[in-house]
Amino acid sequence: GDSVTQMEGPVTLSEEAFLTINCTYTATGYPSLFWYVQYPGEGLQLLLKATKADDKGSNKGFEATYRKETTSFHLEKGSVQVSDSAVYFCALSSSNDYKLSFGAGTTVTVRA
Amino acid sequence: NAGVTQTPKFQVLKTGQSMTLQCAQDMNHNSMYWYRQDPGMGLRLIYYSASEGTTDKGEVPNGYNVSRLNKREFSLRLESAAPSQTSVYFCASSEFTGLKGETQYFGPGTRLLVL
Repeated sequence: GDSVTQMEGPVTLSEEAFLTINCTYTATGYPSLFWYVQYPGEGLQLLLKATKADDKGSNKGFEATYRKETTSFHLEKGSVQVSDSAVYFCALSSSNDYKLSFGAGTTVTVRA
Repeated sequence: NAGVTQTPKFQVLKTGQSMTLQCAQDMNHNSMYWYRQDPGMGLRLIYYSASEGTTDKGEVPNGYNVSRLNKREFSLRLESAAPSQTSVYFCASSEFTGLKGETQYFGPGTRLLVL
């Protein structure tokens, strides 16, 4: 079945550091890929998404590119802020389904 | 526009007790979902409702039942709570347009502790 594997955390960074969170997937066909973010004490919210190969999703300074050849959707931000401290989830929905499959989540803490 | 709301925020149960988690959305969405979140396991789908009047099992349905009361409301019931059901429960909704990459909108969660 479809699955998502993302790098384990926790990740601790200093402000203005570069952030990368790796995400790879297993799926048949052409899934849609997502990054959701969960800030402390809140529910998940969509950060960005991509629906076809080579698409780049971007939002709030974060970017991720849908790479079908490496089945990856790595999340990057060039200069993190304390307010980026959160849990980040990679997810996919398969090409013939709308349900989401989530990775385990990566906790990111940014120190001032 | 409150989005997706859940009640209660926090609940403590004893083993064997029952309870219902409530979820409502005001975005006129067709589809609704219940997930549980456990450390190191991400979110796992318990049940979902593609449209009013339909419900289907997700990945981890055992020990749960659901009711799609109307288009707005989707409740999750634990008939006889077990410690393994200690978790954070999230409700979500989506339009169900049939288009790729549909976004799901999540509620703030219910933290459940079963003793």
